[in-house]
Amino acid sequence: AQSVTQLGSHVSVSEGALVLLRCNYSSSVPPYLFWYVQYPNQGLQLLLKYTSAATLVKGINGFEAEFKKSETSFHLTKPSAHMSDAAEYFCAVSDGYGGATNKLIFGTGTLLAVQP
Amino acid sequence: NAGVTQTPKFQVLKTGQSMTLQCAQDMNHEYMSWYRQDPGMGLRLIHYSVGAGITDQGEVPNGYNVSRSTTEDFPLRLLSAAPSQTSVYFCASRRQGQDGELFFGEGSRLTVL
Repeated sequence: AQSVTQLGSHVSVSEGALVLLRCNYSSSVPPYLFWYVQYPNQGLQLLLKYTSAATLVKGINGFEAEFKKSETSFHLTKPSAHMSDAAEYFCAVSDGYGGATNKLIFGTGTLLAVQP
Repeated sequence: NAGVTQTPKFQVLKTGQSMTLQCAQDMNHEYMSWYRQDPGMGLRLIHYSVGAGITDQGEVPNGYNVSRSTTEDFPLRLLSAAPSQTSVYFCASRRQGQDGELFFGEGSRLTVL
């Protein structure tokens, strides 16, 4: 069964510093992979997704992620953190190919704090 | 375009009480689902539906019932609430075959005393 592991439940960076949030997946088939962001007291919204096209995926708000099959990783990065990036970030893997019953399996989340 | 709408946003129940969390979407999505979010555990799938009249269990279905009589609505029922069901509940929907991208409601925070 598919699963994702997010390393680090809390990450703190300084404003302007590199953001790196780690995600490793386990999948028996080529996966669809996603990063979602959750701001306080809100639902989740999609940051970016990998669906077997380009391995480097660009998302909203300057975030990007690189799919590395050899490392089974899909780490999220942003070159320069902004205070508004403070939120919880979730990596997710789809257990199918967009078929009728495929489901998203979420990681446990990483809470990003940005220090001034 | 309202997207996914959940009601109520907050609810306090006593152990043993029943209630229904409502979820409605106006995007004509075939797939709808309910997740619960607990600290340190991420989001866990409770139930899902791939269309009207079709529902199935997710990872943590015990204590919850669902039905899907229309494409738009997917209510989640707690028949006899327990303190372990204190959580934040999210409804999410997507179109079939759309790379699994889910659209989420804003959540319903439930406390069971």
